[in-house]
Amino acid sequence: DGGITQSPKYLFRKEGQNVTLSCEQNLNHDAMYWYRQDPGQGLRLIYYSQIVNDFQKGDIAEGYSVSREKKESFPLTVTSAQKNPTAFYLCASSRGNRGVFGEQYFGPGTRLTVT
Amino acid sequence: KQEVTQIPAALSVPEGENLVLNCSFTDSAIYNLQWFRQDPGKGLTSLLLIQSSQREQTSGRLNASLDKSSGRSTLYIAASQPGDSATYLCAVRDNYGQNFVFGPGTRLSVLP
Repeated sequence: DGGITQSPKYLFRKEGQNVTLSCEQNLNHDAMYWYRQDPGQGLRLIYYSQIVNDFQKGDIAEGYSVSREKKESFPLTVTSAQKNPTAFYLCASSRGNRGVFGEQYFGPGTRLTVT
Repeated sequence: KQEVTQIPAALSVPEGENLVLNCSFTDSAIYNLQWFRQDPGKGLTSLLLIQSSQREQTSGRLNASLDKSSGRSTLYIAASQPGDSATYLCAVRDNYGQNFVFGPGTRLSVLP
């Protein structure tokens, strides 16, 4: 089955620790995205990548870092510099190269709680 | 900067009603618009994608329209069912294709 997987589903960390969220897709999509969702708010873009070894900051990149070493994988690290890391994190991918962009598909999400 | 709003924020209807959800965006220079459904605690499920050159798309009981010049899209749900209860979000992709901007969503409850 093609799709996007995120792990783990729930993650608990102590304040001051870095944590890495996994996102893998087997849809052969070029573009991948990380969003954050807070209660009662829409999704906000953290980072996106349109090609391997390249990524761009979204609206709320401060305190986060990413890498894109493989087409299938786009891990997100939440660093200790992120002031309010507790949130629901969603990974997405879409076809996107040569000016042609398709539907965005989402993973099931990771709920991060930092205490 | 693109801004997306959705009206109403919440909606409760009896089963069987036809209903319309609204999405507005401030910059008409969009590449496409996508409607999603989100169940509590879950990821987003794509419902319909409308390219900027299209006026509407249909899938089963769902019909989405796009009026790019006025910055509006509507999602029409026919003969609503309790299983349609969820939050519905719209998102617009900018004309460079690089970025999606999401609306805050409409929380729909369909009562049996």
